[in-house]
Amino acid sequence: AQTVTQSQPEMSVQEAETVTLSCTYDTSESDYYLFWYKQPPSRQMILVIRQEAYKQQNATENRFSVNFQKAAKSFSLKISDSQLGDAAMYFCAYMPMDSNYQLIWGAGTKLIIKP
Amino acid sequence: DAGVIQSPRHEVTEMGQEVTLRCKPISGHDYLFWYRQTMMRGLELLIYFNNNVPIDDSGMPEDRFSAKMPNASFSTLKIQPSEPRDSAVYFCASSLGALGAFFGQGTRLTVV
Repeated sequence: AQTVTQSQPEMSVQEAETVTLSCTYDTSESDYYLFWYKQPPSRQMILVIRQEAYKQQNATENRFSVNFQKAAKSFSLKISDSQLGDAAMYFCAYMPMDSNYQLIWGAGTKLIIKP
Repeated sequence: DAGVIQSPRHEVTEMGQEVTLRCKPISGHDYLFWYRQTMMRGLELLIYFNNNVPIDDSGMPEDRFSAKMPNASFSTLKIQPSEPRDSAVYFCASSLGALGAFFGQGTRLTVV
């Protein structure tokens, strides 16, 4: 079965520092998509970053970047220059190619920003 | 685009009452998903549509739950009769292919 594992239930980081959130997934597929979503206290799920498995280059969106290690089935999220507004639950999600675009979700990591 | 719009934002109802949650997807998106989020079970996919047609409703917990998408710009999720264990945040999301799902702000449902 395809699964997504986020092994860190909670992480904390000092404001302006860098933090990395871990995500691993289990699949036998070679083509798929990976996503990171952010859910702040306002509760809306916000798409942060998207990675296509056939692209070797790591995706980047401003202060957010990923470290995609396909062979290791690892997809970590790095947040640089952490800001108070980054405090949220972060969910990793996997999308198989043949899934009608359904997402398989990790359990989430709560990120705390210390001022 | 205004994004995915859900209404109401909050709903408090008595057990046994009918509840209708509404969703307007992003224009042009061809998939619509209904999710439920609770502390105990996390994010669960209830049902999804492609071009207004229900594709998979295996996540709908019971016959008390039903969903419709009469046109490309509107969908409803109905619970009848509601029970306290239905209390959760319900999300609607829409997507265009593999770009990823875009979520509404959710409806927090409390059944007392």
